[in-house]
Amino acid sequence: EAQVTQNPRYLITVTGKKLTVTCSQNMNHEYMSWYRQDPGLGLRQIYYSMNVEVTDKGDVPEGYKVSRKEKRNFPLILESPSPNQTSLYFCASSPGQGAGEQFFGPGTRLTVL
Amino acid sequence: GQQLNQSPQSMFIQEGEDVSMNCTSSSIFNTWLWYKQDPGEGPVLLIALYKAGELTSNGRLTAQFGITRKDSFLNISASIPSDVGIYFCAGFMYSGGGADGLTFGKGTHLIIQP
Repeated sequence: EAQVTQNPRYLITVTGKKLTVTCSQNMNHEYMSWYRQDPGLGLRQIYYSMNVEVTDKGDVPEGYKVSRKEKRNFPLILESPSPNQTSLYFCASSPGQGAGEQFFGPGTRLTVL
Repeated sequence: GQQLNQSPQSMFIQEGEDVSMNCTSSSIFNTWLWYKQDPGEGPVLLIALYKAGELTSNGRLTAQFGITRKDSFLNISASIPSDVGIYFCAGFMYSGGGADGLTFGKGTHLIIQP
């Protein structure tokens, strides 16, 4: 089944403790992206990647890192999480070179205490 | 960045009624997308529009890409309980410059009263 998977689905952590949220897609898509969703603010793009080893900042990149060493994986790294990064995170992928029609993962709900 | 205004923010309707929501942009797009998000899940693509003036249907859903390329609407006919959720519009402008992304509206929360 064609899908985008994220892990973990739920995570509670403490301020400053490094964490990684994994994202994987099995559709051979070139474009991958991370979003955060907050009440009243909608979906905001954190980082995106147009291909392996090509990443770029989205609208809200501060406090996040990403890597794209393989086409299928696009992990989101929070080196030193803070409470304002408590949010619902979505990974997405798209078959084209640009954002285009994006397919979303199921989401990761992160709480930073 | 670009701004998308989506309205209404929420809708309370009776089962069987038709629904209409729209998005307007401060700048043009060459693709409009409509997504639906159910509680606890990621957004799911409903309809994609690629051409100004294009009218596309998917079952009871119909969406149009505005002639000015700055707006789009989504209609749902004869609503049913499973239509409940949050509907997002998204615009995309592919320029080939490598800095392209989707801009999302803030969503329309559809609530159906029995």
